[in-house]
Amino acid sequence: AQSVTQPDIHITVSEGASLELRCNYSYGATPYLFWYVQSPGQGLQLLLKYFSGDTLVQGIKGFEAEFKRSQSSFNLRKPSVHWSDAAEYFCAVGRSGYSTLTFGKGTMLLVSP
Amino acid sequence: EAGVAQSPRYKIIEKRQSVAFWCNPISGHATLYWYQQILGQGPKLLIQFQNNGVVDDSQLPKDRFSAERLKGVDSTLKIQPAKLEDSAVYLCASSGDRHGYTFGSGTRLTVV
Repeated sequence: AQSVTQPDIHITVSEGASLELRCNYSYGATPYLFWYVQSPGQGLQLLLKYFSGDTLVQGIKGFEAEFKRSQSSFNLRKPSVHWSDAAEYFCAVGRSGYSTLTFGKGTMLLVSP
Repeated sequence: EAGVAQSPRYKIIEKRQSVAFWCNPISGHATLYWYQQILGQGPKLLIQFQNNGVVDDSQLPKDRFSAERLKGVDSTLKIQPAKLEDSAVYLCASSGDRHGYTFGSGTRLTVV
């Protein structure tokens, strides 16, 4: 069975500092990997996705993620965090781009001035 | 393009009452999903439709939850009777190609 682990429940970052959110997955085949962001009272917005090819994926809002098969990881990064990035971030895995997704429990990002 | 529409945005009901949620997917999207997101957790799939047929409902509590997608477009999710543990955000998503899908804003259900 597929699973996703996001080890950090909360992370606090100073505005302007760099960010890395961790995601580890368990999946028997080549995974389809996603990062979503959810602001309070909102639905999920796709930040980026990895299907194949280049393991460094660029997304919206200046985010990027790197797929590392040997570590079963898909960590999300941003070089300089803005206060508007404060939200909850979810990593997800699926067997295709339109299959059901298994989500991690999320990481809440807090941005301090 | 228009996004995935869901209604109502919020609903408060008493336990043992019934409730229904509605979802209108992106036009032309054949696949529709309902996810349940309990506070502090990631979304969990309840049911997946391909056109008007069910693909996966293995995690749907069928003794109280039901869903339909007549004509392969809109979908409704019903809970009857509701329990306190059904309090959650119910997210609808749709997909029309290989490259991921779009979520609606969700319906926040509170059962008291």
